[in-house]
Amino acid sequence: EVQLVESGGGLVQPGGSLRLSCSASGFTFSSYNMHWVRQAPGKGLESVSAISDSGGSTYYADSVKGRFTISRDNSKNTLYLQMSSLRAEDTAVYYCVRRNYDSGNHRYFDYWGQGTLVTVSS
Amino acid sequence: DIQLTQSPSFLSASVGDRVTITCRASQGISSYLAWYQQKPGKAPKLLIYAASTLQSGVPSRFSGSGSGTEFTLTINSLQPEDFATYCCQQLNTYPYTFGQGTKLEIK
Repeated sequence: EVQLVESGGGLVQPGGSLRLSCSASGFTFSSYNMHWVRQAPGKGLESVSAISDSGGSTYYADSVKGRFTISRDNSKNTLYLQMSSLRAEDTAVYYCVRRNYDSGNHRYFDYWGQGTLVTVSS
Repeated sequence: DIQLTQSPSFLSASVGDRVTITCRASQGISSYLAWYQQKPGKAPKLLIYAASTLQSGVPSRFSGSGSGTEFTLTINSLQPEDFATYCCQQLNTYPYTFGQGTKLEIK
């Protein structure tokens, strides 16, 4: 059974840092691109960052570029999101997501973690 | 960035009804579109990908269609467990943007 379990969320002051982790199991972690998606309270979904299966390629939304760093340790089946210079608008539930694709290269997010809440407030 | 606009934002319907939700993209995305269902306090659940392919385990009353810039999600014979928020996502180009969501409520 595929499982994605996030951890590391919590309350942090503006300007502070936090590292989220996502422990993956039930599939060959090193074969999949992984994403972080966030959802602010009462708002829609926002793609935050992505990393290729090998870790060699990364993507960041403009809203977090230069402040967040995505990484992965395929030997530990773990995805990370290092967040720094946090702002109130970063307050959200952060989901770890597996990206899959079909034979026609149609991509989709097939497994999501339960999410971890990050609250940025003084 | 590619913008996705869903309509309507709110939808009120009864058990047994058929409902349709539309998602319009600001530029062509071929069939790189997925639909998700989200219930309060839960992670989104994949329903449909490649615009019309039903994810394994999803009931056949859900269907999707469209290509290019206009897409639809149809739910036939609504069941009580279908009342939730539905969201489209384009996976044609980064950033993989989402629609703003359609909240389906019980009439």
